[in-house]
Amino acid sequence: DTEVTQTPKHLVMGMTNKKSLKCEQHMGHRAMYWYKQKAKKPPELMFVYSYEKLSINESVPSRFSPECPNSSLLNLHLHALQPEDSALYLCASSQATGTGGTDTQYFGPGTRLTVL
Amino acid sequence: GDSVTQMEGPVTLSEEAFLTINCTYTATGYPSLFWYVQYPGEGLQLLLKATKADDKGSNKGFEATYRKETTSFHLEKGSVQVSDSAVYFCALSEHTDKLIFGTGTRLQVFP
Repeated sequence: DTEVTQTPKHLVMGMTNKKSLKCEQHMGHRAMYWYKQKAKKPPELMFVYSYEKLSINESVPSRFSPECPNSSLLNLHLHALQPEDSALYLCASSQATGTGGTDTQYFGPGTRLTVL
Repeated sequence: GDSVTQMEGPVTLSEEAFLTINCTYTATGYPSLFWYVQYPGEGLQLLLKATKADDKGSNKGFEATYRKETTSFHLEKGSVQVSDSAVYFCALSEHTDKLIFGTGTRLQVFP
């Protein structure tokens, strides 16, 4: 089973709201990722967690706050977002074998976020 | 730094035509190479991968060969179907778990 699940599928929020995106995998993977994808563009990496520790933050604004409560779960907390943050947010996971980039990342279906 | 260059789209084909989507890369060492596919309204799915030179990845009739001498990983399929219509991303990963994506190529297949 190579499934990564994400909830919700769609989310509409105002600029003053606080919401969270959730991602879950049961493949025993120890690396999890958040990406942002705008229309007609490739995904852009936001955060990487490796063994439940934040290992990469691609200079993401603080209105995005990631959390990894355990090895299967990854959350993205959203607060005071701007309309330009509207995008598809993708979660991914990989084994994190440390073999120099050979691991495959498996993606979830994404959460389509609209900020009004 | 590392980068991936893909051919501009859209690529428009009739059903059963031969498909080639070009991908070339720049890397300092020996990256792993991937093709991902994204169907409308969905996330990315791994299509195939190759981790060393001369490896051929294949899946669902798609193939790509890791060519170190030409730094290329072109995607091919002998006979496309309407259901292959999607956006295809070439990507590489080298020293870390960071994936470097190309810009994506939209494929449209008509009956």
